[in-house]
Amino acid sequence: DTAVSQTPKYLVTQMGNDKSIKCEQNLGHDTMYWYKQDSKKFLKIMFSYNNKELIINETVPNRFSPKSPDKAHLNLHINSLELGDSAVYFCASSQGRSNEKLFFGSGTQLSVL
Amino acid sequence: GQQLNQSPQSMFIQEGEDVSMNCTSSSIFNTWLWYKQDPGEGPVLLIALYKAGELTSNGRLTAQFGITRKDSFLNISASIPSDVGIYFCAGPGGTSYGKLTFGQGTILTVHP
Repeated sequence: DTAVSQTPKYLVTQMGNDKSIKCEQNLGHDTMYWYKQDSKKFLKIMFSYNNKELIINETVPNRFSPKSPDKAHLNLHINSLELGDSAVYFCASSQGRSNEKLFFGSGTQLSVL
Repeated sequence: GQQLNQSPQSMFIQEGEDVSMNCTSSSIFNTWLWYKQDPGEGPVLLIALYKAGELTSNGRLTAQFGITRKDSFLNISASIPSDVGIYFCAGPGGTSYGKLTFGQGTILTVHP
């Protein structure tokens, strides 16, 4: 069983569209994250949720809206997609708010045309 | 903000060779982490370090927490083709719990 799974693996869409990426973890962790990896492979945190509560919200455009229906799921909805949104988006989870040991999903490669 | 600088940016080595890479920080870290990212996958934690001077091994991998607390080192002995990937150092990024700051990565290529 995959510990942190995200769908879809690949997402190709037109500028201006709205899209969602889903993430689920079966590790029993209480904290989940979204990270963005740019074309230079630089990883940067976007959001973090602990027990469905938003605890980290980096300076991300408000076109990005995370939603955590329960502590095992953290979805990312993106409105009005722009070319610069093209990147690989990783979901991750950990146990506890201050645990740096993250378990990552395999990523969603988003291409905005 | 905090920055982590990794070097080298990339390495091309022959199978069987040893590899060394390092990571330096502009500020003191209390925890150092080393992750590996295989092509098409997410990063996987290799080693976590919690104490200045600490030396920790995981198979052929050995990592050290620098005495100054501003650097860390990762060594891979007797490299094999499956060591190919991107190696990231990371540390707690500021006061936000669970927020990691990542280095820019070292890309490792191993020739059989």
